Amino acid sequence: GNSVTQMEGPVTLSEEAFLTINCTYTATGYPSLFWYVQYPGEGLQLLLKATKADDKGSNKGFEATYRKETTSFHLEKGSVQVSDSAVYFCALRTDGYNKLIFGAGTRLAVHP
Amino acid sequence: GAVVSQHPSWVICKSGTSVKIECRSLDFQATTMFWYRQFPKQSLMLMATSNEGSKATYEQGVEKDKFLINHASLTLSTLTVTSAHPEDSSFYICSAGGTADVLTFGAGSRLTVL
Repeated sequence: GNSVTQMEGPVTLSEEAFLTINCTYTATGYPSLFWYVQYPGEGLQLLLKATKADDKGSNKGFEATYRKETTSFHLEKGSVQVSDSAVYFCALRTDGYNKLIFGAGTRLAVHP
Repeated sequence: GAVVSQHPSWVICKSGTSVKIECRSLDFQATTMFWYRQFPKQSLMLMATSNEGSKATYEQGVEKDKFLINHASLTLSTLTVTSAHPEDSSFYICSAGGTADVLTFGAGSRLTVL
């Protein structure tokens, strides 16, 4: 079946450090891939997406590349800020209609 | 931007009672809303798709008589956990919108059943 696996957190970094959160997936067909972010006390927000192999999604300094050969969609940011502290969810969608399959989420804590 | 409000944000109830969670789209109409459940340190699991004016569509393995969903208007969907038991304790999240990249999520409702 379809599934998403994320690295376990929490991930604790100092401000301006480099961030990588690993995400791999298993899917039939050609899924669309997403990263969502949940700030404390708020709902999930779409951070970035990629709909086909080799696409790179980017937003707010974050980026992720859809790698079909390794079935991965790792999230990266070159220099994190305290305000990036949140829970990050990787997700996939295989059909055309909103059935998102989420990873377990990775909590990121950035310290000054 | 689009906002989805969930209420209550947390609730504690006794075993055997029923609990209702509301999901409202505050500044847009949503013909479709989605209900998810999240266990600690686990994925969000899609429970059901709530359709305005018609029956909800439940995912495989989700008991529709246990988790009653009503979508009576274009801005409100409710999830009622009937005869709740401790194993129903979880974080319930709703979302509303069209295609996945414009889905708006609520902040979630934490249910604890004693």
